Amino acid sequence: GQNIDQPTEMTATEGAIVQINCTYQTSGFNGLFWYQQHAGEAPTFLSYNVLDGLEEKGRFSSFLSRSKGYSYLLLKELQMKDSASYLCAVLDSNYQLIWGAGTKLIIKP
Amino acid sequence: GAVVSQHPSWVICKSGTSVKIECRSLDFQATTMFWYRQFPKQSLMLMATSNEGSKATYEQGVEKDKFLINHASLTLSTLTVTSAHPEDSSFYICSARETGVDLEQYFGPGTRLTVT
Repeated sequence: GQNIDQPTEMTATEGAIVQINCTYQTSGFNGLFWYQQHAGEAPTFLSYNVLDGLEEKGRFSSFLSRSKGYSYLLLKELQMKDSASYLCAVLDSNYQLIWGAGTKLIIKP
Repeated sequence: GAVVSQHPSWVICKSGTSVKIECRSLDFQATTMFWYRQFPKQSLMLMATSNEGSKATYEQGVEKDKFLINHASLTLSTLTVTSAHPEDSSFYICSARETGVDLEQYFGPGTRLTVT
């Protein structure tokens, strides 16, 4: 079966750095997405990785290792507004998005 | 660019009635649109994939006669929840994939449905 694993909840301090991990086992791979979702709102796109390596976009970076079935989202200089759920999703061989359950990130002052 | 709207943003209806939710891609054409449902503190659950001009593909366990999907144009898909029950109360989110351009799905803002 297809499976995406990410931690349920993480806590970090304002101004610090946090890394949210995601491991996946899917039938085929056409890329991995990270989305941010605030409570009561729809997800918003953060990043897309299809090749191995690190993609940096401002305070957010995303890393992918296809051989390990592993990705992480790195958030730097954390701000209170970064408190949200972070969803990892893999595009499988049928171009269907397989979603992880999301990681709730709590930022403390 | 790549804006998706949903209407209504929230709706309250009585058991047994039907509710229609619209999903529009405002500045691009979307051959494929997706309908998701999300219960509190849970991840997105794909209900169905909607393709313009053809029948929707429903995920296992989703009743196609209860959740009617119509994708009549390249910019509009509708989801009708028929004979709604309180257990249908949820957050319904649509997304759209731009035709032939991108793999990314652009999400609408969601519709909060409460059935009393």
